[in-house]
Amino acid sequence: AQSVTQLGSHVSVSEGALVLLRCNYSSSVPPYLFWYVQYPNQGLQLLLKYTSAATLVKGINGFEAEFKKSETSFHLTKPSAHMSDAAEYFCAAANFGNEKLTFGTGTRLTIIP
Amino acid sequence: DSGVTQTPKHLITATGQRVTLRCSPRSGDLSVYWYQQSLDQGLQFLIQYYNGEERAKGNILERFSAQQFPDLHSELNLSSLELGDSALYFCASSEGLAGGNEQFFGPGTRLTVL
Repeated sequence: AQSVTQLGSHVSVSEGALVLLRCNYSSSVPPYLFWYVQYPNQGLQLLLKYTSAATLVKGINGFEAEFKKSETSFHLTKPSAHMSDAAEYFCAAANFGNEKLTFGTGTRLTIIP
Repeated sequence: DSGVTQTPKHLITATGQRVTLRCSPRSGDLSVYWYQQSLDQGLQFLIQYYNGEERAKGNILERFSAQQFPDLHSELNLSSLELGDSALYFCASSEGLAGGNEQFFGPGTRLTVL
């Protein structure tokens, strides 16, 4: 079964610093991969997705992620953190022919002023 | 606003009771998904419906059931509630059956079982 691992349940970065949130998937066949963001008391919003086109995927709010098959990774980055980026971030995967999302455990991002 | 609506926003009930959570998908979306978010289990897929038919099942308890109606709205029924069922329940919708389709999430229903 597909599993998604997010390293670091809490990440703190200074405002203006690089944001790096890590995600690894388990399947031998690269799945569809997603990053979602959840703000307090809200639902999940899609940041970006990988669907086997370009390996570097650009999303909303200045985020991007790079798919690396050799490392089974899909890490999320943003060059310069903003206070409004404080939220919980979830990596998710869906296998071909199966639309259900398998989520990682989430990473809570805190921005230090 | 994702276009997915869920009612009620909050629900407080007692153990042993039964509740119904309602979801209206985005206009035109045929697939509806239910997810449970809890502190100990994280975000877990429960069940998916596509155009009225059950499409996939995840870690859904036998006490839980769902259906999708002809107008495509969906209901999640939770019965014989236990304290451990307290969680945030999300509904999501997508256009069709392509795995790469974005799922649009509703704001969730927070269920508290006392």
